[in-house]
Amino acid sequence: NAGVTQTPKFRVLKTGQSMTLLCAQDMNHEYMYWYRQDPGMGLRLIHYSVGEGTTAKGEVPDGYNVSRLKKQNFLLGLESAAPSQTSVYFCASRLRARLAAPYEQYFGPGTRLTVT
Amino acid sequence: LAKTTQPISMDSYEGQEVNITCSHNNIATNDYITWYQQFPSQGPRFIIQGYKTKVTNEVASLFIPADRKSSTLSLPRVSLSDTAVYYCLVGDKANAGKSTFGDGTTLTVKP
Repeated sequence: NAGVTQTPKFRVLKTGQSMTLLCAQDMNHEYMYWYRQDPGMGLRLIHYSVGEGTTAKGEVPDGYNVSRLKKQNFLLGLESAAPSQTSVYFCASRLRARLAAPYEQYFGPGTRLTVT
Repeated sequence: LAKTTQPISMDSYEGQEVNITCSHNNIATNDYITWYQQFPSQGPRFIIQGYKTKVTNEVASLFIPADRKSSTLSLPRVSLSDTAVYYCLVGDKANAGKSTFGDGTTLTVKP
């Protein structure tokens, strides 16, 4: 199993450009998440999904859109990139809660995005 | 959301036991406490999770007092490779988006 993979690993954008980050998981997890992590800071939740076709806003959703057309994929879009969106983006997934079982999130390796 | 407070940084030496405490005064009845470890340029990795009393696995122990307003992650006999950032999260198992990461504790293990 590859676990959680993210594409691309690095990207440099100019202000105003758009791009889509792809997250894929092969663990049949119901829940998927997008976080951003600024230097020296913790992770902040952007959007999440509890199942195919559903998405919800997290702490910092402005400037981002997401889609979950297939259970294994979660896409994060930046319609008009801004320098404030320079960050490392992590995707994660987990199973729906099971009684008496840990509900750990599995993280991808991250995408380092720079907006100039 | 239950806010968590951790020390910003801690230093230790190889072979010592390290205890990192997290405060979560407004923890809710359905909230679990989870700890993650993050190395530079990597995503966080799950360490341990608990609801009350004590939980132990092959890498750590988690101590939770009866009032659940704090928790302590215990790492036995740390090595240089345990140098990382450790995050405490509090969240409802059934609420996918509720738990959030704080700024974590940077643990530096010295030789």
